[in-house]
Amino acid sequence: QQQVKQSPQSLIVQKGGIPIINCAYENTAFDYFPWYQQFPGKGPALLIAIRPDVSEKKEGRFTISFNKSAKQFSLHIMDSQPGDSATYFCAARLTSGGGADGLTFGKGTHLIIQP
Amino acid sequence: DAGVIQSPRHEVTEMGQEVTLRCKPISGHNSLFWYRQTMMRGLELLIYFNNNVPIDDSGMPEDRFSAKMPNASFSTLKIQPSEPRDSAVYFCASTLFTGTRNTEAFFGQGTRLTVV
Repeated sequence: QQQVKQSPQSLIVQKGGIPIINCAYENTAFDYFPWYQQFPGKGPALLIAIRPDVSEKKEGRFTISFNKSAKQFSLHIMDSQPGDSATYFCAARLTSGGGADGLTFGKGTHLIIQP
Repeated sequence: DAGVIQSPRHEVTEMGQEVTLRCKPISGHNSLFWYRQTMMRGLELLIYFNNNVPIDDSGMPEDRFSAKMPNASFSTLKIQPSEPRDSAVYFCASTLFTGTRNTEAFFGQGTRLTVV
């Protein structure tokens, strides 16, 4: 059972455009929703994260929009650049009383920003 | 801090051999996670430890997989015997759990395992 569904699988956008990547989750107990960026040969690196008590978070050119009632969240990249070309993963996590739980990842979106 | 350190970066082994992957978490972090990444299944959580204690190993695919964390600065993931379908990139990640919240998860560079 896939608890976090991500779309699209791949995306090509012209430089300066606004790629949008969408995720939907099933477990309403999730309380932390990060986006990770991964370059070839590297481990995933945290890009931006949001908690369900806010509907939007911006950090630089990256924005997360969060819709708790729809159980959906999305990543927007403003003024996209060729250097943003990477694989992007959404994820979700719940925090139990005893400690950290692992992240549940979406399948990833391979993003290409064309010059 | 050097970040999460994994070794080796690449491993090629023959089917049936034992494989041991190693991870050194960020100093001071008290939670450690092992993930496996494949094209077909994406990033999957295999097992995680809080304060060196295994909490959830439900993601470990088979009994051939085992993980240990003998102290706060070292963990191993062992596959015995290895099979070609174990070929994947294995990531280790660590976080600090403060008692109420976790810090972000920092990932290592991964170990690319190829079983022939």
